Formats: sequence, structure tokens, C-alpha cells
Amino acid sequence: EAQVTQNPRYLITVTGKKLTVTCSQNMNHEYMSWYRQDPGLGLRQIYYSMNVEVTDKGDVPEGYKVSRKEKRNFPLILESPSPNQTSLYFCASSFLGPGNEQFFGPGTRLTVL
Amino acid sequence: ILNVEQSPQSLHVQEGDSTNFTCSFPSSNFYALHWYRWETAKSPEALFVMTLNGDEKKKGRISATLNTKEGYSYLYIKGSQPEDSATYLCAFNVPFTGGGNKLTFGTGTQLKVEL
Repeated sequence: EAQVTQNPRYLITVTGKKLTVTCSQNMNHEYMSWYRQDPGLGLRQIYYSMNVEVTDKGDVPEGYKVSRKEKRNFPLILESPSPNQTSLYFCASSFLGPGNEQFFGPGTRLTVL
Repeated sequence: ILNVEQSPQSLHVQEGDSTNFTCSFPSSNFYALHWYRWETAKSPEALFVMTLNGDEKKKGRISATLNTKEGYSYLYIKGSQPEDSATYLCAFNVPFTGGGNKLTFGTGTQLKVEL
């Protein structure tokens, strides 16, 4: 089954404790992206990647890191989480090109105390 | 940051009603306009990706039109059913070299269809 998976789905952590949210897709997509969803603000892009070893900042990259060592995986790293990073996070992937829909993972709800 | 606006913010309709929402986006340097359907506790799923001015797309009772010259798209739902209850997101594909797919999302229209 073609899908985007994320882990964990739910996470409660404390300020400053490094964490990684994994994202994996099995559709051979070049493009992968991380979004955060906050009430009233819509989905905002954190980082994206157009292929292996090619990553760039989105609209809200502060406090996050990513890597793309393999085509299928695009982990999101929070080196020192803070309460303002409490949010719902989505990973998405697609083929390159503007006519291609993005496929979203199931979401990760993160709470930073 | 580009501005993508959706209206209304929320909508309550009765089963069987037809309804429509609006998405406004920058009219210059158009690449593509996406519509996604997002049900509570699930992830967004693509409805349409529209790339040409005048495009009309249809999937069952849901259809969409696109006007790139004036910068708007309409999403129509004919004969709304309770299972249509969801948040409908539009996203503007930002022009990007190299075939990039950067999307700027609107805040969505939350639809509730009541029996």
C-alpha cells in the first residue's frame, strides 16, 4: 500500500530533551516536506527536500533540523524543544512538478511541557 | 510570505444543500492550485490539482473551478451529505525553479453538514 508513515503519533516531552520524528514514504517521491498545524494559522511549512541531500528552509524553520540521507526517509529533529513547538506535525511527499498532489502522513501530535 | 485566503471560515448546512467555498491567491506567476479535504483525526487528502486557467474538475458531487487571471478558485459540493463534513484546504503552488512543490496553504473552510 502506497503510504507515508510517521512515528511517533503522539509524544509528550519536556523542554530541552532532544527528539526525532521519523517520516518514511514508499512511493519513490523526490519531494518531501514537514508542516506544522496550529489553530487559526493553517499548515505552515517547516523544511522541505527536493531529493537526497537537498534540503531547504520553509516558512517556520527556527528550532528544527532535517536530513535526507535516503530517498524514502525525512526525519524532523528538535534539538532543544520548547513549549512553542507544541503542535500537530505532518510529513508529506510527492513527485516533483506543480501538478502533483502531496500525500500526507497521519500526523504527530507533540506536546512540550 | 504569500497570502492565500479562504472564505467562509466555517459553514453549517443541512443535508441536501449545495454549497461553495472560495480560495483567493496571488494572480501573478501561477503554477498550480491544490484542494485538500481534511477530516477530523485524519490527514489531508488531495481532491484536485488545477494548473490551467479555466480548469474545471469534478469528483462525484464535488467540483472545482479555477480563474488564474483574477486569482480565485471555487469548490462546489452538490447535495451535501454528513460524510462531507470536513475542513477543505486550498494551497497555492509557489513558483519555484527545479520543479519544486512548495505549497502555501489557506486556513481552510470548516464544513459541517447536519441531518
